[in-house]
Amino acid sequence: GNSVTQMEGPVTLSEEAFLTINCTYTATGYPSLFWYVQYPGEGLQLLLKATKADDKGSNKGFEATYRKETTSFHLEKGSVQVSDSAVYFCALVNAGNNRKLIWGLGTSLAVNP
Amino acid sequence: DAGVIQSPRHEVTEMGQEVTLRCKPISGHDYLFWYRQTMMRGLELLIYFNNNVPIDDSGMPEDRFSAKMPNASFSTLKIQPSEPRDSAVYFCASRGTASYNEQFFGPGTRLTVL
Repeated sequence: GNSVTQMEGPVTLSEEAFLTINCTYTATGYPSLFWYVQYPGEGLQLLLKATKADDKGSNKGFEATYRKETTSFHLEKGSVQVSDSAVYFCALVNAGNNRKLIWGLGTSLAVNP
Repeated sequence: DAGVIQSPRHEVTEMGQEVTLRCKPISGHDYLFWYRQTMMRGLELLIYFNNNVPIDDSGMPEDRFSAKMPNASFSTLKIQPSEPRDSAVYFCASRGTASYNEQFFGPGTRLTVL
């Protein structure tokens, strides 16, 4: 079946540190991959996406590359800010799965000044 | 665009009472999703609709939960009777066919059942 595994949090970093949040997936066929972000007290919002192998999604300084050979979609940012403190969710959708998003459990990030 | 609208934002009720959560999707979106988020289980899909028709309700925990979508601009999630273990944040999300699987989430309803 389809599943998403994220690194467990919480992740605590100092401002301007480098961020990596690991995400691996299991899926049949060719899924599309997503990172969503949830700021405190808000709903989730799409951060970036990639629809085929070797695609790189990017937004707000965050990047993730769709690696089919390692079934991974790790989220990275070169220099985090306090305002990046949030919960990050990796997700996939597979055309053969009624287009439901399959979610990871989320990784909480806290950035200290 | 106002985005997905949910009401109420907070609900506190006593065990055994009926709870109704409301959602207005983004105009023109033809998919609507109801999620539940807890610390223990993370984000769970409860049910989703396409063109007002329920497509998959396999995530609805039990018969106490029901959801309706009487028209394209309104959906409800009802819990009757409510129990303390239903305490969670409930999100509604919508998606348009052209938005390539991007779901737009509402701000959520924080439900506390005492």
